[in-house]
Amino acid sequence: DAKTTQPTSMDCAEGRAANLPCNHSTISGNEYVYWYRQIHSQGPQYIIHGLKNNETNEMASLIITEDRKSSTLILPHATLRDTAVYYCIVRSSSGSARQLTFGSGTQLTVLP
Amino acid sequence: NAGVMQNPRHLVRRRGQEARLRCSPMKGHSHVYWYRQLPEEGLKFMVYLQKENIIDESGMPKERFSAEFPKEGPSILRIQQVVRGDSAAYFCASSPPGGHHTDTQYFGPGTRLTVL
Repeated sequence: DAKTTQPTSMDCAEGRAANLPCNHSTISGNEYVYWYRQIHSQGPQYIIHGLKNNETNEMASLIITEDRKSSTLILPHATLRDTAVYYCIVRSSSGSARQLTFGSGTQLTVLP
Repeated sequence: NAGVMQNPRHLVRRRGQEARLRCSPMKGHSHVYWYRQLPEEGLKFMVYLQKENIIDESGMPKERFSAEFPKEGPSILRIQQVVRGDSAAYFCASSPPGGHHTDTQYFGPGTRLTVL
């Protein structure tokens, strides 16, 4: 699976949009971009995933660049409860391995 | 629809004892994954199981660790003769059947193992 690069930490004001970037310049055509988050000591929580097109659900939006080398997770109206480590994971749709490979993620702190 | 259940949530063992961690997948899910998170570190894959089969155990330590997912009942991660370095949070995830490699994994709350 392709390697991802994320900033170590980010701050965001409560009520504002949080934009979390992720670089995955070696992504291949059959690899999806997944986002999870882990609120302190809890189990990782699935947020969203996509292949090529932008995606939106009740939690967030995922914007993938046309060349697919980077993506941005957008939390439209961040709340204090969104403070967490956010993981961007690239995952193949083929091959025998199905595990998620977690990097260091981005520590998002939402400030009051 | 209940999520992934793990028990116990906290487990304390003395060195040399055995630890058994249980995971009940989401209803309708037949694929189970175990991950370990050491203190101040990221999550690391351990093993992937389907009912009665170990599919990928490439992340499992070679000794003392074993996993099973029987036809009936929860998946069990078993650690024999625990050592202090086994102290960690152990997370289970499940995904639905179908065999598609990008099936979303949903995680449980974890079991925090402390070895004294």
